[in-house]
This record gives sequence, C-alpha cells and structure tokens, in this order.
Amino acid sequence: NAGVTQTPKFQVLKTGQSMTLQCAQDMNHEYMSWYRQDPGMGLRLIHYSVGAGITDQGEVPNGYNVSRSTTEDFPLRLLSAAPSQTSVYFCASSYSETGVGETQYFGPGTRLLVL
Amino acid sequence: GQQVMQIPQYQHVQEGEDFTTYCNSSTTLSNIQWYKQRPGGHPVFLIQLVKSGEVKKQKRLTFQFGEAKKNSSLHITATQTTDVGTYFCAGMNRDDKIIFGKGTRLHILP
Repeated sequence: NAGVTQTPKFQVLKTGQSMTLQCAQDMNHEYMSWYRQDPGMGLRLIHYSVGAGITDQGEVPNGYNVSRSTTEDFPLRLLSAAPSQTSVYFCASSYSETGVGETQYFGPGTRLLVL
Repeated sequence: GQQVMQIPQYQHVQEGEDFTTYCNSSTTLSNIQWYKQRPGGHPVFLIQLVKSGEVKKQKRLTFQFGEAKKNSSLHITATQTTDVGTYFCAGMNRDDKIIFGKGTRLHILP
C-alpha cells in the first residue's frame, strides 16, 4: 500500500491564481481531512469528509473548497490564492466513518508559497 | 471555542535527560492521541488514550490521561538523538471534532 499520497510536494503561486492540491489513499478509509500547518500554530483542520459525497468545514475553511467523488480521492482547491495561504498542507485519512478515536495517517505534505 | 493547550512550546535537553510535554483542554475529551513529527516530515501516530487515568508505555515513552480527561502528558526517559522532533497531542471533543495542540518542539543537545 502506498498509504496517503499528496501532489505536488512544492508549489509556488501568484496571488489570485487557482490550483488543486491532490490527495489519495489506497487503504479504503472513509474519513479524510485536510490540515494546514503554520509555524507556531500547530495543525488546523480545513475541511473533512466522512465518506464519498459528504464534506464538512473544519476550523479554517475560508478560501478553500473540497469535494469527495470517490473514497480514494479528496482534492483541496484554492480558487484565488492569497499570501495568507502560504503554508504546509497535510492530508490525512482514517478507517472509521467518523474518525472517532481512529488513527489518522498523514500524507507527506505539500509546501505552498503564495507570492 | 475549545482549545487544547500544549506546554512547553520548546524544550532543549541534554542527551540522556528526561523530557515531558503537557496537554491541557478547556473541556472534557473523549480521547487523546499523540503524534510525532520529525523535522521536515509529517505527523506520525504514536498512541491513543481513552480511559480516565489511563497510562500506556512504549519503551522509553510513557503516556498518561488525566482522571478528569482534560489533560495528558508524554514523558520520555533518557532522551536520545532520535527523539528529536515536535510532539503533538490531539484531543477528540464530545462533538467528535479533533483539535490539535500547537506542539512541543524537542531539541537534543549532544
């Protein structure tokens, strides 16, 4: 199993550009989520999904969209990038539908710089 | 909103010394998980605690969940250079939301 994969590893954007961060898992996990990690801020939940076709907002959802058309994939879209979105983005997945008490497996991360 | 506070933010210890990081929640948690993130890496799950007063050990690491399920600690005995990294706690509240602490960055002095 590849586990949780993320692409790209690094990305530089100009303000106003759009892009999609890809996340895929091959463990048949129902629960997937996106976090951003900023220095001194820990991990903050952006959006999460408890299964295909179901998504919900986390702590910091503004400026990001998600969709979950398949169990395996959970892309994160930035419609109009802003410098405040410069961060490291982690995708995570876990087995249970609700993620309650389940181990979260993290992807390697995407480092995004918005100029 | 609910917060999970983690202290200290940074800790420098001599190799061989012990290390402890503490996690405190403003509300009761359903469970708490601990993760380790190496520099430049991604968080890796270490353990989960569910029961009040629970204590679990993994070799030199000891994890504890408070009686009121509002606090937790991670203690490392006789630190080694491989222990370098940031340790995060993540609490599950009664709304099934996972909230991460800001982490404790451990640096080992040789």
